[in-house]
Amino acid sequence: KQEVTQIPAALSVPEGENLVLNCSFTDSAIYNLQWFRQDPGKGLTSLLLIQSSQREQTSGRLNASLDKSSGRSTLYIAASQPGDSATYLCAVSNAGGTSYGKLTFGQGTILTVHP
Amino acid sequence: GAVVSQHPSRVICKSGTSVKIECRSLDFQATTMFWYRQFPKQSLMLMATSNEGSKATYEQGVEKDKFLINHASLTLSTLTVTSAHPEDSSFYICSALYLAEQYFGPGTRLTVT
Repeated sequence: KQEVTQIPAALSVPEGENLVLNCSFTDSAIYNLQWFRQDPGKGLTSLLLIQSSQREQTSGRLNASLDKSSGRSTLYIAASQPGDSATYLCAVSNAGGTSYGKLTFGQGTILTVHP
Repeated sequence: GAVVSQHPSRVICKSGTSVKIECRSLDFQATTMFWYRQFPKQSLMLMATSNEGSKATYEQGVEKDKFLINHASLTLSTLTVTSAHPEDSSFYICSALYLAEQYFGPGTRLTVT
């Protein structure tokens, strides 16, 4: 059974700092990995999707890496802003069979960026 | 593109009543949709996989007679919480699978009094 762990559970940083969020998963037979953002009481916004054959993806100030063999991914946020404050969720989709398309989520990292 | 809507966004009901939540893919067809629930300060837990034209597949520990799922068309899946109780109060989120990626709805906040 796939398990996804995110570290740290919470992070508070001053504006402008670069930061790294970590995600690890137990079963390396994944199809892809996604990073999401969730604001309080809201749905999920997809930030980056990395296919299992890829090593990283970038979008603006965000960069996500994937090391499938070691079961790890990191989300790097450059020059953080107060508007980045949210919960960041990592999720993996396992390959094939009856698990196709299913996402297993980590517990999330609550990020607070203060001015 | 790939927009998913949910209705209602928020619902309050009395204990013992049933509540229906709709999940629609607005600009694409989805043969597969997923239903999740999220308790406060917790992550999303998959409840069931909804397949158009066939029975839903429920995750272990989810009561299929309590959480009825119907996926009657390629753009609509519904989740009915039957005989709701206060412990069913939660945030319910659906997603639709399109080109191997899941697109999420905005969620429905259910409060059972």
